[in-house]
Amino acid sequence: QKEVEQNSGPLSVPEGAIASLNCTYSDRGSQSFFWYRQYSGKSPELIMFIYSNGDKEDGRFTAQLNKASQYVSLLIRDSQPSDSATYLCAVIGRGTDKLIFGTGTRLQVFP
Amino acid sequence: DGGITQSPKYLFRKEGQNVTLSCEQNLNHDAMYWYRQDPGQGLRLIYYSQIVNDFQKGDIAEGYSVSREKKESFPLTVTSAQKNPTAFYLCASTQGPTEKLFFGSGTQLSVL
Repeated sequence: QKEVEQNSGPLSVPEGAIASLNCTYSDRGSQSFFWYRQYSGKSPELIMFIYSNGDKEDGRFTAQLNKASQYVSLLIRDSQPSDSATYLCAVIGRGTDKLIFGTGTRLQVFP
Repeated sequence: DGGITQSPKYLFRKEGQNVTLSCEQNLNHDAMYWYRQDPGQGLRLIYYSQIVNDFQKGDIAEGYSVSREKKESFPLTVTSAQKNPTAFYLCASTQGPTEKLFFGSGTQLSVL
């Protein structure tokens, strides 16, 4: 079992719709969770981070964490073509200082 | 402006050759990391360093070496023992293990 799992996609949504990206992790003791966006050929950039159960909102982005079910999700409201990118989920496990990345989900927003 | 500088942007390696990728940061971050990314894949950790003169192997350290002689610098050497070096290499730094990573712009390494 991979430590951090994501559906590779592509996930295709129309402009203006809500895009929902999901990530599951294997280490139940994981403490910190991050979503990075990566455009093709570029380095990742941080979109959201969340440490506690529940929802965290920042503009059009909402991160949701459910530690009991070991998943973290990212919702993008009012999706725009410029949101088309690969979204990487990353997790820091308990007792470690390493950030473990999933393989990413490719999102396509079509006009 | 503060940030992380990786160089070169593109690098070509001949068979049997060692090559070194540069990573410099002026963010005063303690921790620095090297990741490898293959097409359509996530990031895999090669080496990381939490403090000067100390570093630890990541998940795919074989065929690579690093040094951390200065806080600002964390160069990565891809040795001839790394048989499949073609990938996008990313350097990152952070102030603490639970803080966000800042990434450099990456180096694309290819084999001639």
